[in-house]
Amino acid sequence: AQTVTQSQPEMSVQEAETVTLSCTYDTSESDYYLFWYKQPPSRQMILVIRQEAYKQQNATENRFSVNFQKAAKSFSLKISDSQLGDAAMYFCAYRIQGAQKLVFGQGTRLTINP
Amino acid sequence: DVKVTQSSRYLVKRTGEKVFLECVQDMDHENMFWYRQDPGLGLRLIYFSYDVKMKEKGDIPEGYSVSREKKERFSLILESASTNQTSMYLCASSLLRDGGEKLFFGSGTQLSVL
Repeated sequence: AQTVTQSQPEMSVQEAETVTLSCTYDTSESDYYLFWYKQPPSRQMILVIRQEAYKQQNATENRFSVNFQKAAKSFSLKISDSQLGDAAMYFCAYRIQGAQKLVFGQGTRLTINP
Repeated sequence: DVKVTQSSRYLVKRTGEKVFLECVQDMDHENMFWYRQDPGLGLRLIYFSYDVKMKEKGDIPEGYSVSREKKERFSLILESASTNQTSMYLCASSLLRDGGEKLFFGSGTQLSVL
């Protein structure tokens, strides 16, 4: 069974600093997608970034970037120039190509200190 | 904007009651999902549906059933609510295409079973 592990239940960072959230996954598949979702206090899940496993280039979206290490099955999220609005729960997720469902990690609560 | 609407933001029920959680999406998505979110466990898939009247069990279907009579509506049913079903329930939808499309989430229903 595929599993996604986020080993950091909570993280905090000073405003304007950089923070990295960790995610590892376990799979025997070669084609899959990886995602980071953000859940602010409003509870509305928002897609932050996604990565196709066949792409070697790491995905970036403005201040958000990933470090995708396929051999190590690692998919960390880097947030640069942290802002107060980045405070939220962050979930890493995985989906096999051809499957419809996502498998989520346990989540990391990110606090931004002003 | 895609909208996924869950009928209740908060719900309090008694043990043994039959509970209906409703979810409606307005973007003609084929896939609809019910997840349960618990602290330290992340999101776990209860059921999903990829077409009207079609359903598939997720990772934790015990104690739940679902109904999808119309494409836009996906209902989660707790036949006889128990205290261990106290949780946050999130509905989501997505297109059936296999391009790594993102999930669109509702704002969640916090269910308390007393």
